[in-house]
Amino acid sequence: DQQVKQNSPSLSVQEGRISILNCDYTNSMFDYFLWYKKYPAEGPTFLISISSIKDKNEDGRFTVFLNKSAKHLSLHIVPSQPGDSAVYFCAARKNNNDMRFGAGTRLTVKP
Amino acid sequence: DGGITQSPKYLFRKEGQNVTLSCEQNLNHDAMYWYRQDPGQGLRLIYYSQIVNDFQKGDIAEGYSVSREKKESFPLTVTSAQKNPTAFYLCASSTTSGGEQFFGPGTRLTVL
Repeated sequence: DQQVKQNSPSLSVQEGRISILNCDYTNSMFDYFLWYKKYPAEGPTFLISISSIKDKNEDGRFTVFLNKSAKHLSLHIVPSQPGDSAVYFCAARKNNNDMRFGAGTRLTVKP
Repeated sequence: DGGITQSPKYLFRKEGQNVTLSCEQNLNHDAMYWYRQDPGQGLRLIYYSQIVNDFQKGDIAEGYSVSREKKESFPLTVTSAQKNPTAFYLCASSTTSGGEQFFGPGTRLTVL
């Protein structure tokens, strides 16, 4: 039972343009959402998070939007850079340490 | 430097053998986790521990065992009972109050 879904396995954008990565979840008990970035043969690194009491959180070029009614969140990267090319995992947490991950979206930013 | 280390990076074992994956952290985190990643799937939780000498099963604990004798260490044993052990294994830690988890570099286990 996949409670967190990333329906796009890959995304390709041009350098300088916006990258939008999407994530859907099914469990309304999730109260905290995170995005992780992962390079090949490395562990994921934390990128940005948002609490369920907010609908937007911004950190530099990265912004996460949360639509609770639609059970949907998205990560916007603008402007996209070639170094952003990686796999991005969406994660949702309930009960403090019960975290579920999506399958990931591979972002390729072309120069 | 503070962080999480996993060793070895690549591990090969014959079918039917138990193998133990190492995970050490010096972040002073109370909680530690083991995940498994397979192609096209998200990270799936195997076991987690919120405090020394205590641990709980995750979604796919069958065929795995763990111990948490020290705060810094959370080794994972892949037993011969695990039907499909070849995968990329990730260890993580966090404070008990939640927030982001910090991940190690992972161990790729191949069972021949």
